[in-house]
Amino acid sequence: QSVLTQPPSVSAAPGQKVTISCSGSSSNIGNNYVSWYQQLPGTAPKLLIYENNKRPSGIPDRFSGSKSGTSATLGITGLQTGDEADYYCGTWDSSLSAHAVFGGGTQLTVL
Amino acid sequence: EVQLVESGGGLVQPGGSLRLSCAASGFTFSSYWMSWVRQAPGKGLEWVANIKQDGSEKYYVDSVKGRFTISRDNAKNSLYLQMNSLRAEDTAVYYCARVSVAGTVDYWGQGTLVTVSS
Repeated sequence: QSVLTQPPSVSAAPGQKVTISCSGSSSNIGNNYVSWYQQLPGTAPKLLIYENNKRPSGIPDRFSGSKSGTSATLGITGLQTGDEADYYCGTWDSSLSAHAVFGGGTQLTVL
Repeated sequence: EVQLVESGGGLVQPGGSLRLSCAASGFTFSSYWMSWVRQAPGKGLEWVANIKQDGSEKYYVDSVKGRFTISRDNAKNSLYLQMNSLRAEDTAVYYCARVSVAGTVDYWGQGTLVTVSS
């Protein structure tokens, strides 16, 4: 059972938009920055969004992040088949020293 | 370019030990917290352990406390995870990861598979 809650799967057609939610508590999302990771099949996770809504260089602006209270959201617009992957949210838990926590992951299917 | 390369994974019997290594390059290793994160087959990500820049602070997920030890050698730009008393539930791909100054787990290695089975 993951500390952060994500939907197991989402799907949408190419070109459409999808959002992935991540729900936590005041001890994690509520008081810490949220990151989002993309994991393509058979590969390591890759940072997509950091500090709630910032994109590392090289990440297209089709990917966006937001946070409100104890929840965060990843948005992906202009869906491409290459976006099919597992997506994870992550943050820290202030109630546990230097403990990172992750969501259970959301599998994105581009129909 | 930041690179993290893990090694040391393999098949080990329950109760056995294994030492994972992570070779870092492309950044000033001694300036960053480092982490180990694992992923059981078909499952999500689970943070395992963190270590401060100088090794003075170490933190572990409850399920590995007393069995795993994280360490680092800044002179060799290397991170380690000593795993003892291994259990079947420790079977996973283990990733070495860098923690940015702002606290983001920003770079990940390619992972090394640890299989605990008789």
